[in-house]
Amino acid sequence: AQSVAQPEDQVNVAEGNPLTVKCTYSVSGNPYLFWYVQYPNRGLQFLLKYITGDNLVKGSYGFEAEFNKSQTSFHLKKPSALVSDSALYFCAVRDVNNFNKFYFGSGTKLNVKP
Amino acid sequence: AAGVIQSPRHLIKEKRETATLKCYPIPRHDTVYWYQQGPGQDPQFLISFYEKMQSDKGSIPDRFSAQQFSDYHSELNMSSLELGDSALYFCASSLPGEEAYEQYFGPGTRLTVT
Repeated sequence: AQSVAQPEDQVNVAEGNPLTVKCTYSVSGNPYLFWYVQYPNRGLQFLLKYITGDNLVKGSYGFEAEFNKSQTSFHLKKPSALVSDSALYFCAVRDVNNFNKFYFGSGTKLNVKP
Repeated sequence: AAGVIQSPRHLIKEKRETATLKCYPIPRHDTVYWYQQGPGQDPQFLISFYEKMQSDKGSIPDRFSAQQFSDYHSELNMSSLELGDSALYFCASSLPGEEAYEQYFGPGTRLTVT
């Protein structure tokens, strides 16, 4: 079965500092991995995805993620955090056996303090 | 750019009543997904449709049913509502096929069962 895990419920970082939100995955076959962000009372917004190719994927709002096959990880990163980045972040994997099914992690709340 | 539209945005129902949630996907997206997100939880996959046919089923209660119509909009019908059905219900759409397309989420419908 496909799954993703987000080991941290919450990440706190000071504005201007780099941030990392962790995600590990478990899939059979090649993973299709995604990051979404959710602001309060809003739907999830797509940030970036890894399908194949370069391990470093760049996405919206200055975010990037690094795919590491040996560590089965897909951590979300940003070189310099903004207060407006404070939100809930979800990692997701697409079921390679059923492309109409996504599995989401439990979410990580990112708090960026001024 | 056009986004996924959900209606209503807020709905208050009493126990044992029925509710119908509507979702209008992005034009040219013919795959629709429904998710339920409880307070502080990750989105739980309920059901998906591709080309007006049910393509996958997740943790959708038997009291719920859904369908996708000829114009690709989808409706989630919920009967015999219970207090535990109070949640945010998201619809998402994506382009079809085996390509690793991301999902685009609507703003959600907040259902409160009293």
